[in-house]
Amino acid sequence: QSVLTQPASVSGSPGQSITISCTGSSSDVGGYNFVSWYQQHPGKAPKLLIYDVSYRPSGVSNRFSGSKSGNTASLTISGLQAEDEADYYCSSYAASTILYVLFGGGTRLTVL
Amino acid sequence: EVQLVQSGAEMKKAGESLKISCKGFGYSFTMYWIGWVRQMPGKGLECMGIIYPRDSQTIYSPSFQGHVTIAADKSSNTAYLQWSSLRASDSAMYYCARRDTAMDPWRLWGQGTLLTVSS
Repeated sequence: QSVLTQPASVSGSPGQSITISCTGSSSDVGGYNFVSWYQQHPGKAPKLLIYDVSYRPSGVSNRFSGSKSGNTASLTISGLQAEDEADYYCSSYAASTILYVLFGGGTRLTVL
Repeated sequence: EVQLVQSGAEMKKAGESLKISCKGFGYSFTMYWIGWVRQMPGKGLECMGIIYPRDSQTIYSPSFQGHVTIAADKSSNTAYLQWSSLRASDSAMYYCARRDTAMDPWRLWGQGTLLTVSS
């Protein structure tokens, strides 16, 4: 059981926007601005999409954006494209855990 | 090019031992934490443990403590994940990943090592 809660699946049509939520607690998501998001295509390694809640690494499309409100972080993908179909995982710094990291259970995005 | 390159897929039998590797290229290997992440078929990401190659400080997730060993060799810029007695339930994809500090994300990932353990 993942400590960070994500919806199992979301879907959207090309061109639309979707948002994936990631709910934790005041001990992790809500307590620090160290939330990151990863994209994983089938058979591939995860790729960092967003870090520190809303920052994009170099090379990541600006169609991907992150935000946080209270204990819930969100990933928004605008202008959906077929290539966005993948699994998305959130992660948060968690000072109370021995590895200082928690992952969400993952969300499967389907582009209709 | 900055990258982590993992050893190839393995097929083993329950009870056998195994060591898989993760070699860093293009950066100062001792300056970053390396973590091992398990992904069971169709499931999410689980951090098994982390190691700081400079001094080999190692921290294990309670879920994996005692079943795996994480090590690093500074001379070859390589981190290892080792089992002394595999179980069928160890069948999974294993990734290594790099982060700067505990607050940082996992910016760099290896390509993964697929482990299949038959009973």
